[in-house]
Amino acid sequence: TQLLEQSPQFLSIQEGENLTVYCNSSSVFSSLQWYRQEPGEGPVLLVTVVTGGEVKKLKRLTFQFGDARKDSSLHITAAQPGDTGLYLCAGSLLVNSGGSNYKLTFGKGTLLTVNP
Amino acid sequence: ETGVTQTPRHLVMGMTNKKSLKCEQHLGHNAMYWYKQSAKKPLELMFVYSLEERVENNSVPSRFSPECPNSSHLFLHLHTLQPEDSALYLCASRGRNTEAFFGQGTRLTVV
Repeated sequence: TQLLEQSPQFLSIQEGENLTVYCNSSSVFSSLQWYRQEPGEGPVLLVTVVTGGEVKKLKRLTFQFGDARKDSSLHITAAQPGDTGLYLCAGSLLVNSGGSNYKLTFGKGTLLTVNP
Repeated sequence: ETGVTQTPRHLVMGMTNKKSLKCEQHLGHNAMYWYKQSAKKPLELMFVYSLEERVENNSVPSRFSPECPNSSHLFLHLHTLQPEDSALYLCASRGRNTEAFFGQGTRLTVV
């Protein structure tokens, strides 16, 4: 069972279009991260969201954390070929009641291709 | 530059060879991870070390042997690998309830 479901799995669009990718779970996360990974490279952190309902913007990228801290979305405005890559979401889960041990879990990713 | 450095970046090895992958971080993090990423497959968590103690081992074959001599260094020793072990191996480090930072990865090809 995949704890974090990302959709769509693949997305191919033309330059200038807008898009949204989703990250959903039935679990409540203490924080959630979005990463972008280019072929042959390690994932690079884009943003961390912590508060339910939080919205963060990074140039043309808008990240939103759901009110219940179970889901998140990434919206890209006017996509460019340089946005091409694998987008991964990762959630941090508290695994013990003492509040000291957090487990990180990743979604399967959304592979985005932006065609010129 | 994420603060996590992996070497080598590329490695080609025969099935009878022994080699090691190295990961180093100076971010003050207390947890380090090895992930395997095969073509068209999601990230697979292999090992987790917290405060130099292995806390997770996800049914990884014994031909992969991790070592964490201190909180800044993590190794993955490889021995008698199979062609299906060819993949991108990623190291990550993390502080308590903070983001994970990844190295650039080692592209491993087993021939």
